[in-house]
Amino acid sequence: SAVISQKPSRDICQRGTSLTIQCQVDSQVTMMFWYRQQPGQSLTLIATANQGSEATYESGFVIDKFPISRPNLTFSTLTVSNMSPEDSSIYLCSVGGSVYEQYFGPGTRLTVT
Amino acid sequence: QKEVEQNSGPLSVPEGAIASLNCTYSDRGSQSFFWYRQYSGKSPELIMFIYSNGDKEDGRFTAQLNKASQYVSLLIRDSQPSDSATYLCAVYYGGSQGNLIFGKGTKLSVKP
Repeated sequence: SAVISQKPSRDICQRGTSLTIQCQVDSQVTMMFWYRQQPGQSLTLIATANQGSEATYESGFVIDKFPISRPNLTFSTLTVSNMSPEDSSIYLCSVGGSVYEQYFGPGTRLTVT
Repeated sequence: QKEVEQNSGPLSVPEGAIASLNCTYSDRGSQSFFWYRQYSGKSPELIMFIYSNGDKEDGRFTAQLNKASQYVSLLIRDSQPSDSATYLCAVYYGGSQGNLIFGKGTKLSVKP
């Protein structure tokens, strides 16, 4: 499976600011996804990052709050905008495999104060 | 609404025993089923997938699928303390590859 890296691994941010999280894959992949995992909870899909076009957002997530870029088949960014303490979470990128499975990056642990 | 249900645990088993983790899902059209292991502070790691009724074995792990009962399970034989983690069940119900619904996970503790 692909090797996935994320930057930063963790950050502490002030409310009202924005943070951009990077996801890099060591091979070209068609499908990339962004998830949020809040403390003690399971994974919630934020959006599918589409190469060359706008991301597809899940219900409850909007582009103004979580803008996503996918400039090529190995890289994507997720920005968490105008942060509040409720955005404190782990943010994970994943890539799709051949039988609809997904492989996850190491995650970015975000704390908003 | 498509749902995936798991007992949150914790499930505690002694070292060397069989750990049995269960998952039920709501959508009869679900096509593929995945088990992920997540150690504390780490990201989920895929350990098994299954899409046909019956059993699928991989080393100490066996996934069991019963589509009629909408039930999938994971058996871990000869459980080790290193198996202590949260196990997430995920169900793909078709269409976009993003249509993967995760359960909340079962926390497994293997006692030496």
